[in-house]
Amino acid sequence: DTAVSQTPKYLVTQMGNDKSIKCEQNLGHDTMYWYKQDSKKFLKIMFSYNNKELIINETVPNRFSPKSPDKAHLNLHINSLELGDSAVYFCASSQDDYNEQFFGPGTRLTVL
Amino acid sequence: AQKITQTQPGMFVQEKEAVTLDCTYDTSDPSYGLFWYKQPSSGEMIFLIYQGSYDQQNATEGRYSLNFQKARKSANLVISASQLGDSAMYFCAMREVPSGNTPLVFGKGTRLSVIA
Repeated sequence: DTAVSQTPKYLVTQMGNDKSIKCEQNLGHDTMYWYKQDSKKFLKIMFSYNNKELIINETVPNRFSPKSPDKAHLNLHINSLELGDSAVYFCASSQDDYNEQFFGPGTRLTVL
Repeated sequence: AQKITQTQPGMFVQEKEAVTLDCTYDTSDPSYGLFWYKQPSSGEMIFLIYQGSYDQQNATEGRYSLNFQKARKSANLVISASQLGDSAMYFCAMREVPSGNTPLVFGKGTRLSVIA
């Protein structure tokens, strides 16, 4: 009964490919997020969705497109992968501003 | 703009000793939340403790306590009786609460190593 799950856990792919990472939360939360953690361990917000609506889109290339089919799912699709996209991508969810965000286990993306 | 500063890239502590991990923040919003997360070598992000800007008392959760000094804009994490399993990266994060859900802004982290 994992709270926030992501698939796959590891993703190795060639430059130029298109790939997707899936995220699901079973906590009934209204808001979901995607964060990117670079090789120096720095975590930065990419997107935030509230009830399937995009509310935050940080300066992320438009090769990254989040999709939220329902409020329990927030998937991340990446087109034309580049070497610099190699990172760990974390999905998270929260109920409101006053409580913690619950993170998924992360997806380690390696672009060769 | 929000900013979180963790000035200690790495820290060492002897097992069973207490350790303080520093965090200062910068915000002009009166309503915000401060969080600490632990990231062990396995990679997951584990929530440790939360402090709201209007909370009168310092937050505590088991061996974790948050030394919240609002005027100094600091939110240091204190871990008492360190254990080998506490070795990990620790991230301080802040979230402003103007309206609606806002993302966490993270510091660069402190790598804690507990020595036997």
